[in-house]
Amino acid sequence: DAKTTQPPSMDCAEGRAANLPCNHSTISGNEYVYWYRQIHSQGPQYIIHGLKNNETNEMASLIITEDRKSSTLILPHATLRDTAVYYCIVRMNRDDKIIFGKGTRLHILP
Amino acid sequence: SAVISQKPSRDICQRGTSLTIQCQVDSQVTMMFWYRQQPGQSLTLIATANQGSEATYESGFVIDKFPISRPNLTFSTLTVSNMSPEDSSIYLCSVGTRNTGELFFGEGSRLTVL
Repeated sequence: DAKTTQPPSMDCAEGRAANLPCNHSTISGNEYVYWYRQIHSQGPQYIIHGLKNNETNEMASLIITEDRKSSTLILPHATLRDTAVYYCIVRMNRDDKIIFGKGTRLHILP
Repeated sequence: SAVISQKPSRDICQRGTSLTIQCQVDSQVTMMFWYRQQPGQSLTLIATANQGSEATYESGFVIDKFPISRPNLTFSTLTVSNMSPEDSSIYLCSVGTRNTGELFFGEGSRLTVL
């Protein structure tokens, strides 16, 4: 079973920041938080991951709470191409399998 | 990043037949996984393809139905045996290395069973 809880869907206006929440209250100390997204009819795409510290790359920022029980993926300036299903995943280590939950379907509104 | 080629990209098959899906990677990878995505659903892990040994199957999936081969670090096959309409899904290959931990996904093979 997936170890994360996400809202089933969210809307965000184009050009605004999209903030996608994820709860992982049972996360253990050596488990990473990963985010993937799946644009319609494509394979999932890696976005970002983190352990304790906040992370940022060219696609997004990942904010992990101090107790690590929740996190937020931030797309700073959402575009229509960011419309996708976003999956928050907890993963033991770098060679562990990935178990997908139901994800959040993000709609970017023009 | 790894470039993954899956064949066939799509196929329409008759009930009771079998189909083998190939996954070819452009570099050696330590991890290979096979997933299924039924219409409108999330991805479900079928098995871990182990190089040189039998695959490790998740609960609900068995080797007789989904035999997997992985002869080397760049190639794997998944066979869907004795197909029924319930097997109509997208089947995705996923690969990664322990260095980065990132997993890359192929575009999938869309299977329709009539």
